[in-house]
Amino acid sequence: KAGVTQTPRYLIKTRGQQVTLSCSPISGHRSVSWYQQTPGQGLQFLFEYFSETQRNKGNFPGRFSGRQFSNSRSEMNVSTLELGDSALYLCASSLGTGQGNSPLHFGNGTRLTVT
Amino acid sequence: GQQVMQIPQYQHVQEGEDFTTYCNSSTTLSNIQWYKQRPGGHPVFLIQLVKSGEVKKQKRLTFQFGEAKKNSSLHITATQTTDVGTYFCASYDYKLSFGAGTTVTVRA
Repeated sequence: KAGVTQTPRYLIKTRGQQVTLSCSPISGHRSVSWYQQTPGQGLQFLFEYFSETQRNKGNFPGRFSGRQFSNSRSEMNVSTLELGDSALYLCASSLGTGQGNSPLHFGNGTRLTVT
Repeated sequence: GQQVMQIPQYQHVQEGEDFTTYCNSSTTLSNIQWYKQRPGGHPVFLIQLVKSGEVKKQKRLTFQFGEAKKNSSLHITATQTTDVGTYFCASYDYKLSFGAGTTVTVRA
């Protein structure tokens, strides 16, 4: 099976711009979660989508949003970029039982740099 | 929500030695998962522990879940250079929350 695919791998944007990141989950996985990873804050949960619905959301401002399509592919969008948004954004797919017992399978991430 | 604290933050190990990293919570955990992230890579699932007192082994790695389900440990024997990376524990409370990780470096 193909793994989780994230595009693009690297992105450089300017403050105030917006960005869209894409994630294709493992075939058969219906849950997609997004995490932000920074040296200072570690792995922070952004949101989880299951069957095209946002199932859970972390403590991030409304500038961070996402969606999931009928084929389980997901996108996340960050508007009005700030310098502090520079991070590795990781997408993870799972079977999504909702019981917390499905391992997450992470993609390689998108490295976003905001200048 | 549930938070897990990992200690130590950094572990410098001589090749061939053993070490243990710990994951602690103030609340009872439904389960605990462990992940490894190599430098420049992404987190990779290692194992899940569910039962009180559960012990699981993967070659030189031994994972343990505490009797009270409030702590977990990862013990690596005969450390090798391939063990370099950051080890995260994660607990589930409507979302999977990760500890800060233990970053392991190995001296050859």
